[in-house]
Amino acid sequence: DAEITQSPRHKITETGRQVTLACHQTWNHNNMFWYRQDLGHGLRLIHYSYGVQDTNKGEVSDGYSVSRSNTEDLPLTLESAASSQTSVYFCASSESGIGTEAFFGQGTRLTVV
Amino acid sequence: DAKTTQPPSMDCAEGRAANLPCNHSTISGNEYVYWYRQIHSQGPQYIIHGLKNNETNEMASLIITEDRKSSTLILPHATLRDTAVYYCIVRVANTGNQFYFGTGTSLTVIP
Repeated sequence: DAEITQSPRHKITETGRQVTLACHQTWNHNNMFWYRQDLGHGLRLIHYSYGVQDTNKGEVSDGYSVSRSNTEDLPLTLESAASSQTSVYFCASSESGIGTEAFFGQGTRLTVV
Repeated sequence: DAKTTQPPSMDCAEGRAANLPCNHSTISGNEYVYWYRQIHSQGPQYIIHGLKNNETNEMASLIITEDRKSSTLILPHATLRDTAVYYCIVRVANTGNQFYFGTGTSLTVIP
């Protein structure tokens, strides 16, 4: 069955380090998204992509970057990790078009110490 | 910003129907209403979506008012496993078809 997987599931890193979270989907979806979830804020959109070589900023993109070199993967990079980026990160993918559902991964819990 | 308003929490007796309301008074004509739920700290799970007409699938029913300014998600026979946070989302057409989540409704199914 097609799926979307995130790795690692848990990570602890130090302030100032660069961190990359992986997201891989096997549905061949054009759209991919990264969200972060914090208590009291629900899920907030970080970056999204409509296809290879396309990336766009979401509402909380500062300190994060993404690249899309193929359809299956959208890695999320924290250039210099900060304690404020301690959160649970979710990746999602969907087909193109507004009437399609998005499928979410199981999340990565990142702690910056 | 989220374009929906939901009550922060609700309770429902096991076996009864759970009716979760959502207001989306600024919805545009080509924007869909989606419902997702999140159980504990798992990834959000898709439930149902609709544009104008009522929709039903194996999980739930979605009732959208004629003016499309509000909707109700119905879980016909709630079980303890339906305890979760339920998100009503309007997928915004003119900002890239994104899913903008609010803070949702925390549904507790009571034995």
